[in-house]
Amino acid sequence: GAVVSQHPSWVICKSGTSVKIECRSLDFQATTMFWYRQFPKQSLMLMATSNEGSKATYEQGVEKDKFLINHASLTLSTLTVTSAHPEDSSFYICSAWGHGGITDTQYFGPGTRLTVL
Amino acid sequence: AQKITQTQPGMFVQEKEAVTLDCTYDTSDQSYGLFWYKQPSSGEMIFLIYQGSYDEQNATEGRYSLNFQKARKSANLVISASQLGDSAMYFCAMRAPNSGGSNYKLTFGKGTLLTVNP
Repeated sequence: GAVVSQHPSWVICKSGTSVKIECRSLDFQATTMFWYRQFPKQSLMLMATSNEGSKATYEQGVEKDKFLINHASLTLSTLTVTSAHPEDSSFYICSAWGHGGITDTQYFGPGTRLTVL
Repeated sequence: AQKITQTQPGMFVQEKEAVTLDCTYDTSDQSYGLFWYKQPSSGEMIFLIYQGSYDEQNATEGRYSLNFQKARKSANLVISASQLGDSAMYFCAMRAPNSGGSNYKLTFGKGTLLTVNP
């Protein structure tokens, strides 16, 4: 199946700093990628849809100035958590649909665990 | 709007037995796709199985099968011959409409934590 990678897999930062998370589709092109966050023992919450070459579409309640998304190429989307605070500590996962046909499958990256001190 | 309901927060099963994880859905679309994902403690989301709304046969993938009852709007996951490595969180998800576009979202249920006992 299609492979999606994320970097870093975990990061610890101080409050007030910014953190960038990369999401790459390794063996396919992804015009659209999705960013989720997940708190412990909860489901995935869609934050935004990242579109190559255009602005991201944010879900209601997600601060676009805090969670900056850039989808500069067909294989790379980045999520930057700006001025991170402890409440931003979470598990962030990206995904993309594998190409071809109505039975496309959404493939997920391995996730990034962010801890803000 | 689409909605996925997983009513079992946790399930326990003995090794080598079968287990059914429940999933019901709600959508006004005629064309939709249903997915099951497994999330072990490492956090990665692993695709298990897919069922399209127009598929007449229930999907199967190895030890996984999807019991699709369209009239009841249910898409239960059946795991046969459970293994210790099946212990994980399981999420049911839906895409509607199911047109294959790259920007369609998945709607997730709250998940079921499955524990396989030796």
